[in-house]
Order: sequence, then C-alpha cells, then structure tokens
Amino acid sequence: DAGVIQSPRHEVTEMGQEVTLRCKPISGHDYLFWYRQTMMRGLELLIYFNNNVPIDDSGMPEDRFSAKMPNASFSTLKIQPSEPRDSAVYFCASSLARTAEQFFGPGTRLTVL
Amino acid sequence: KQEVTQIPAALSVPEGENLVLNCSFTDSAIYNLQWFRQDPGKGLTSLLLIQSSQREQTSGRLNASLDKSSGRSTLYIAASQPGDSATYLCAAHPISNFGNEKLTFGTGTRLTIIP
Repeated sequence: DAGVIQSPRHEVTEMGQEVTLRCKPISGHDYLFWYRQTMMRGLELLIYFNNNVPIDDSGMPEDRFSAKMPNASFSTLKIQPSEPRDSAVYFCASSLARTAEQFFGPGTRLTVL
Repeated sequence: KQEVTQIPAALSVPEGENLVLNCSFTDSAIYNLQWFRQDPGKGLTSLLLIQSSQREQTSGRLNASLDKSSGRSTLYIAASQPGDSATYLCAAHPISNFGNEKLTFGTGTRLTIIP
C-alpha cells in the first residue's frame, strides 16, 4: 500500500480565497482523521470520520472550515474564505479502528498571504 | 482532560550513545500510547504502539515502555545514529465514557545525534 496520500503538498494562496485539501486513506481503514500542526498549538485534531460519516468535528475552528468524505477512499478539507491565521501544516491520518495505530500522510503546508 | 508532556524539548547526544526520551501523561485511563517520529517538513511516522495491557514494545533498536500507574512512557534508542535525528512525539489515547476519544499529543523532543 502506498500509505496515506495527500495533495497538494504545498499551497500558497491569498486571503479570501477558497482552499481545498485532499486525502486518500490507506485502503481498508475505516477511520480518517484531519489534524492541523502549528508551532504555537502543536497538533490539533480537527475532525474524524468513521465509515465516511463525520463523528466528531468539535475541533473545527470556525464555520469557514468544512470536511467531507464522499467515499471510503477520498476526503477533502475546505477553507472558505481563507485567512493568514489558517497558515499551518494539515495532516490526514487513517486507522483500522478508533483506538488503533494511526498512520499519517506527508501533510499539506498551507500559506495564506 | 488528558495532558501529555515531553521533557526535554531538545536533546543532543554523540553518535553511538544509548538514550531515553520521556513522555508523561496525567490520566492513566488510556487505551494505548503511540510513539512517532517527525522529520523536518515531513509527516509523522509511527514507531511503536503500546496497548494499555502491555509493559513494553520493541522494534529494532527502539524499545518503548509504559507505566500507567506513574503516567509515564519512555522510548529507548540503542546505539544512536545520525539518521535518528528527528522530533519524537508521543500520543496517548484516553478512555472516555462518551466514545469520542481523541489522540492527545505531546509537544515533542527534538533529537540531534552528533556524528
């Protein structure tokens, strides 16, 4: 398996623009997690899905953030409109079960100017 | 609320030495504890996962231990190599009555192995 795949790897955009981050989990993993990492706050869980259904989105910072998982092999995290304080590295991770080992993708480094 | 602490924040040791990284957590009610490494500009790589019923796990030169009663886990790296230089993070998976457990990460220890 190729592991968790994320795209793009880097994204630079201007304030107010819409940003869409993409993730393909490991095949067979029922859980998908979106994290954000910053120097100030470390790793934060934004939202996670089980069998394509959002279970806990309490970590999503604002209504500008939304996430979908239309099928078992694809998820998106969208920020609309983006702001400079959204600049961070966004990671996607997947696992076989809720408390099982999590495997992370390489991340998307987002810079909002 | 579970809190995970890693001290020191940074550590430098000469190549070849054995070393120990520390992880402390405040709530002993956990399913498991996972150790990761993160290279600069990269994602997290899972190293070891210790279930709450286990005392330790080994993978190659790495050995992770878990002592729930004291709220501590250690990652032992034998015969360190320059390629071991990275940031090491531990994460505890707390048990919750609400079924919405979230992996709680420490802030990491940045390890530098000096050739």
